[in-house]
Amino acid sequence: EAEVAQSPRYKITEKSQAVAFWCDPISGHATLYWYRQILGQGPELLVQFQDESVVDDSQLPKDRFSAERLKGVDSTLKIQPAELGDSAMYLCASSPGTSGLLSYEQYFGPGTRLTVT
Amino acid sequence: DAKTTQPTSMDCAEGRAANLPCNHSTISGNEYVYWYRQIHSQGPQYIIHGLKNNETNEMASLIITEDRKSSTLILPHATLRDTAVYYCIVRFLYNTDKLIFGTGTRLQVFP
Repeated sequence: EAEVAQSPRYKITEKSQAVAFWCDPISGHATLYWYRQILGQGPELLVQFQDESVVDDSQLPKDRFSAERLKGVDSTLKIQPAELGDSAMYLCASSPGTSGLLSYEQYFGPGTRLTVT
Repeated sequence: DAKTTQPTSMDCAEGRAANLPCNHSTISGNEYVYWYRQIHSQGPQYIIHGLKNNETNEMASLIITEDRKSSTLILPHATLRDTAVYYCIVRFLYNTDKLIFGTGTRLQVFP
């Protein structure tokens, strides 16, 4: 069964350093999401792509976070500089996208657990 | 999107049915009820969804009340591997398809 791939699985970095996460969605999935999950809470959307275009980045802290999906396939999420409050699980998900009035379920990767010291 | 209310935690004996409730009293007519679960240190996993009819798949059953203000996810024979956080999400299918997670129900299945 096809899966969403993410790397690295774990990352420890010092505050003020740069960090990047990579996501490879399920082949053919047009929509890609980055969520952030703070311990004890549910995931929250950071950014959503439809192919290579950003659909929703309203919750992305743009002063330090950036995301790209240049060829509409894999994606990178970057944080520069990292802050202590960025410690969280970063989850990538993909879905086939929307078709008419129906919207397909999202498939999540295993996540990257970031610890900022 | 409509908000949902779930109990914070529940316990269930292995082999018994786990019934996880969800209230969504402000759901609108074209919003679906979705259930996801998240096993510790993994990404959320889709379980099932429905609009107004009861649904069943290989993982679970979803019972939605006639007025659609509440629903119950049923795991018919819970196993230790079903220990996870279960999220009930009401999803508006127009304009955006992001998932809005609450804090979910932490289900502990015990031997």
